[in-house]
Amino acid sequence: AQSVTQLDSQVPVFEEAPVELRCNYSSSVSVYLFWYVQYPNQGLQLLLKYLSGSTLVESINGFEAEFNKSQTSFHLRKPSVHISDTAEYFCAVSDRGSQGNLIFGKGTKLSVKP
Amino acid sequence: GAGVSQSPSNKVTEKGKDVELRCDPISGHTALYWYRQSLGQGLEFLIYFQGNSAPDKSGLPSDRFSAERTGGSVSTLTIQRTQQEDSAVYLCASSSDRNAYNEQFFGPGTRLTVL
Repeated sequence: AQSVTQLDSQVPVFEEAPVELRCNYSSSVSVYLFWYVQYPNQGLQLLLKYLSGSTLVESINGFEAEFNKSQTSFHLRKPSVHISDTAEYFCAVSDRGSQGNLIFGKGTKLSVKP
Repeated sequence: GAGVSQSPSNKVTEKGKDVELRCDPISGHTALYWYRQSLGQGLEFLIYFQGNSAPDKSGLPSDRFSAERTGGSVSTLTIQRTQQEDSAVYLCASSSDRNAYNEQFFGPGTRLTVL
């Protein structure tokens, strides 16, 4: 069975500081990897995804994540965060051969302080 | 264009009552998913619909939970004889087709509170 572990439930950080949100997964099959974000009082939305090819993927708002097959990780990073990045971030996987149901981690609440 | 909508946004019910939660997916999306977001459990997959095919019910936690999708569009999740542990936010998502690499578009959720 697949599982996703997000080790940090909460990450407080000051504005303009770098941040890394950790995600590890376990699966016996090949997977697609996703990061979804939930801003306060909003629904979940896709931030970025890894399907194949380059192991480094980027979002439009400066986040990036790197797929590491040997470590079964897909950590999310941003070199300099903004107040507006305050949100809950969910790492998720789906089995490449499946109908797409996502297995989520428990989420990491990123709190950016001025 | 319109996104995924869900109703009601909030539902408070008494233990033992039945509830119905509605999801309107994005027009033209053939794949529809229900998830549950509860404290301490994170987001859990419940059920999946693809077009008019038989649904994948593998994530439903008990036989008190059921769902249907009429005409390949609107979906209703029904919880019978609600229990306090059913309290959670129920999320619906749709996708353009069944491929696992597709983005899922989520609705705002229905917050269910069972007293």
